[in-house]
Amino acid sequence: RKEVEQDPGPFNVPEGATVAFNCTYSNSASQSFFWYRQDCRKEPKLLMSVYSSGNEDGRFTAQLNRASQYISLLIRDSKLSDSATYLCVVNLGVGSGTYKYIFGTGTRLKVLA
Amino acid sequence: DADVTQTPRNRITKTGKRIMLECSQTKGHDRMYWYRQDPGLGLRLIYYSFDVKDINKGEISDGYSVSRQAQAKFSLSLESAIPNQTALYFCATSDGQGAGEKLFFGSGTQLSVL
Repeated sequence: RKEVEQDPGPFNVPEGATVAFNCTYSNSASQSFFWYRQDCRKEPKLLMSVYSSGNEDGRFTAQLNRASQYISLLIRDSKLSDSATYLCVVNLGVGSGTYKYIFGTGTRLKVLA
Repeated sequence: DADVTQTPRNRITKTGKRIMLECSQTKGHDRMYWYRQDPGLGLRLIYYSFDVKDINKGEISDGYSVSRQAQAKFSLSLESAIPNQTALYFCATSDGQGAGEKLFFGSGTQLSVL
């Protein structure tokens, strides 16, 4: 089992649609969680951190379910510019300050006009 | 100007050649990382450094070496390049502010080994 698993997609949605991605992680000791956005052949950029209480940033909402070990990202009112790959990232925070980031392989989103 | 700068952006080399990828940052972060990205595999950690005197192997360090020349500079070397090292390489930094610290990436180096 992969440490961080994501549905690779692609998710093809029309403009204005709401789309949700899930990500599951295997290590129950994982400490922090993030969604990154990556455009084709470009660097990943932080979209948002994910907190236990859930958090929202404009059209984006992230949720964390520690009991079931999954993270979700909801995008409302999709824009063409949201087309990208979304990476789920988990920080294991293992041992003497040696934080280890585990990356999912990404979920590809295409927003269609 | 980018906070994390990688050079070169693209590199084509031949099997057996030694090459160096360079990374510099103006974020003032102590922690620096080298990752590679392959299609379908996600990003994998090659080496990381938490300060100038600290170098640690990541999950796929074989065939690579690094040098932390200064707080702001972290270079990755392939001593004898082989075709399966063809990948997209990213340098990243983080601020060491605890478990919630975030990674900031350079724009990447596409390396092709023929």
